[in-house]
Amino acid sequence: AQRVTQPEKLLSVFKGAPVELKCNYSYSGSPELFWYVQYSRQRLQLLLRHISRESIKGFTADLNKGETSFHLKKPFAQEEDSAMYYCALRVDSNYQLIWGAGTKLIIKP
Amino acid sequence: DSGVTQTPKHLITATGQRVTLRCSPRSGDLSVYWYQQSLDQGLQFLIHYYNGEERAKGNILERFSAQQFPDLHSELNLSSLELGDSALYFCASSVGDRQRDTQYFGPGTRLTVL
Repeated sequence: AQRVTQPEKLLSVFKGAPVELKCNYSYSGSPELFWYVQYSRQRLQLLLRHISRESIKGFTADLNKGETSFHLKKPFAQEEDSAMYYCALRVDSNYQLIWGAGTKLIIKP
Repeated sequence: DSGVTQTPKHLITATGQRVTLRCSPRSGDLSVYWYQQSLDQGLQFLIHYYNGEERAKGNILERFSAQQFPDLHSELNLSSLELGDSALYFCASSVGDRQRDTQYFGPGTRLTVL
């Protein structure tokens, strides 16, 4: 069965420290993975997707098919990064998104 | 704002009642997706419509139904409401129904069933 696991419900780091939000997936097909972010009182918005291979707001994520992971990383956290982060998997059969439970990231000053 | 819009923002109702949530996609988007976000279940995909036709169903209860109209707005109907239906309901839209289309989310409708 398809599944996305974000093992940390809450992650708290100091400003300037590196951040890694973990995401593991379970899917036998060709995965397409996304990170969405939800800032306080705002809507969910796409942060990045693995096929783009871009860096948004200093965040990067690499798809590791061997480890079935798509961890989100940023070398130096900023206070404005505090938000809920969701990892999502799109299955190629019907394009629905399967979501992780989300990780709340708190950046301490 | 040419983004995805949802109405109402908040809805409070009683068990057994029926409600309708409305979603207007971004201009030019043909696909609409509905999601439910609850505290215990997280984000769950409910249903996907493309240009008026149902394309995929997820964990949608039989008490729930949806449709997409010719003007591409969509409505999610929830009936015989139960306490457990209290959640945030998101709508998202995308240009088409291709695998690589990005989904853009609305602000959500918060449903409280008392």
